[in-house]
Parts: sequence; C-alpha cells; structure tokens
Amino acid sequence: AQSVTQLGSHVSVSEGALVLLRCNYSSSVPPYLFWYVQYPNQGLQLLLKYTTGATLVKGINGFEAEFKKSETSFHLTKPSAHMSDAAEYFCAVSDDTGGFKTIFGAGTRLFVKA
Amino acid sequence: DSGVTQTPKHLITATGQRVTLRCSPRSGDLSVYWYQQSLDQGLQFLIQYYNGEERAKGNILERFSAQQFPDLHSELNLSSLELGDSALYFCASSVSELSNSPLHFGNGTRLTVT
Repeated sequence: AQSVTQLGSHVSVSEGALVLLRCNYSSSVPPYLFWYVQYPNQGLQLLLKYTTGATLVKGINGFEAEFKKSETSFHLTKPSAHMSDAAEYFCAVSDDTGGFKTIFGAGTRLFVKA
Repeated sequence: DSGVTQTPKHLITATGQRVTLRCSPRSGDLSVYWYQQSLDQGLQFLIQYYNGEERAKGNILERFSAQQFPDLHSELNLSSLELGDSALYFCASSVSELSNSPLHFGNGTRLTVT
C-alpha cells in the first residue's frame, strides 16, 4: 500500500530564504507524486506533479521538486520565500495498484517571517 | 477558481441527524473523489466515482454513502451523525480515473455536529 510521510508539521523561514519541505513515500511500484498547496479557507491546489520522465519537476510560483527513487523522496524547494507562500503544503502519492486513489501526507504548514 | 463547486459551504447539525453534501465537478471531468479533512486525521480519502460507477473506497464509514449521477454531480450522504464527524469535507475531480491525473479540489463543506 502507498504511504506518504512529511517531515515536520511546521516549517518557519525568513522572507528571501530557501524553502525546503520534505516528503518521503512508500510504494511497491513506480509512483506518481504530487505537491498541493492549501491557503486558509480554500481547497487544495496542484503545485506540481511527477509521473514519468525528468526527475526534476518545476511547478507554479517558483516551486520545484526532485524525484529521488533511491531515497524514496520528493522534497519541495523554492530558492527564495515570499510572504505569500505562507500556507499548508501536502505531498501526495498514487500508483496504478492503488485502486485509483491518491494518498496525502499529513501536511506541513509553512510560516514566512518578514 | 478550480471549477469544482461544493454546497453548502457550512453546515451545522445535531448528533443523530442526516445531511447531504453536494459536488459539481469541473466541466469535462468524469471522476469525483471525496475526502475528509480533520485536525487529528489529516486528509482522508473516502470514495471515488468515475462516470457514475464506484471505483475506489477508502476509510468511509458504513453510515456514509455517496453516488454520482448521470449529469456527473455527486452527493455524499452522512447519517446518524456523531460529534467526531465534524470536519471539512472536500470534493475533487479529475479528467480521468487514472492514477496520474491531478485532482482539482472544491473549497469544501465545513460540517459541525453539535
């Protein structure tokens, strides 16, 4: 069965600093990996996805993530944090054996300090 | 705007009651998913439908049921409500049933059981 672990329920960075949100997954077959962002009182929005091909994936708002099979990781990064990046971020996994369902991690709340 | 519409936005009801949550998927999307988000459980997958047929089931209680209608809108029925059912219920849609399809989320229905 698939599973997702997000390290750190809260991450705080200064504006302009590097953002690194960690995600490790478990899947018995090649996974499909996603990062979503949730702003207060809103639903989740897709930031980026990895399905096949290039392991470095670029998403919206300057975010990117790298699929590392050997480390079973899909960490999310952004070179320079902006105040508007403050939100909750969810890593998610699915695969072709999972019965079409996408499993989400517990989420990491990102705080950005001025 | 994701294009996924959920009604109502808020619902307050008493224990033992029954409620119906409604979801209209994004135009062209055939797959609908229901998720429950709570502070202690995170984002839990409940059930998925594709073009009117149930495709996958997650941690959905027997007191809960769902269906997808011919016009592709979906309803989630929650009965014999308990205090612990208080949560944010999200509907999401995707264009296909494939596991690599990203999900488009509505803004959720916040259910409060008193």
